[in-house]
Amino acid sequence: AQSVAQPEDQVNVAEGNPLTVKCTYSVSGNPYLFWYVQYPNRGLQFLLKYITGDNLVKGSYGFEAEFNKSQTSFHLKKPSALVSDSALYFCAVRDGSSASKIIFGSGTRLSIRP
Amino acid sequence: EAQVTQNPRYLITVTGKKLTVTCSQNMNHEYMSWYRQDPGLGLRQIYYSMNVEVTDKGDVPEGYKVSRKEKRNFPLILESPSPNQTSLYFCASSPLDSGNTIYFGEGSWLTVV
Repeated sequence: AQSVAQPEDQVNVAEGNPLTVKCTYSVSGNPYLFWYVQYPNRGLQFLLKYITGDNLVKGSYGFEAEFNKSQTSFHLKKPSALVSDSALYFCAVRDGSSASKIIFGSGTRLSIRP
Repeated sequence: EAQVTQNPRYLITVTGKKLTVTCSQNMNHEYMSWYRQDPGLGLRQIYYSMNVEVTDKGDVPEGYKVSRKEKRNFPLILESPSPNQTSLYFCASSPLDSGNTIYFGEGSWLTVV
């Protein structure tokens, strides 16, 4: 069975500092991993994904994520946070070995203070 | 423009009055899904569909029904809504290949009083 965990409900970072939002996963086959962002009163927007290849994936708005197979993690990172990055972030996993449903984590609220 | 469209966006209804939230996508996607979002619980999957006439229960299917008679449409039906179904609902779609991005609608705020 697939599962994904986001251990932090909230992450607080000062503007200009690096940020990390953590995600760990469990899947029986090949992991396909995704990050989505949700701004207030909006749907979820795709940020980036890992399917195969380079473990460091770059996405929208300067975000990147590192796939770590041994630690079954896919942490979201950004070198320098902006106040506009404040939002709710969701990690998701799909089993790449077969057509499967997508499972989301519980979400992490990122708050960037000026 | 590629999109997932949900209606209504906002609804207040009374306990027991049947309602349907429609979802339509214009991208010819095989996979469609419904989620509910509640504070502290993230996104929980209600039902999903891999193709026309193929539907499966997600994690929280109780009190909901779905149908997939056409590829583009995936309505969510609440036969007898109860207050614990007050939530924000999202419809999503993607191609069947698991490597593809999933696209979300803008959400439907449902309040059952």
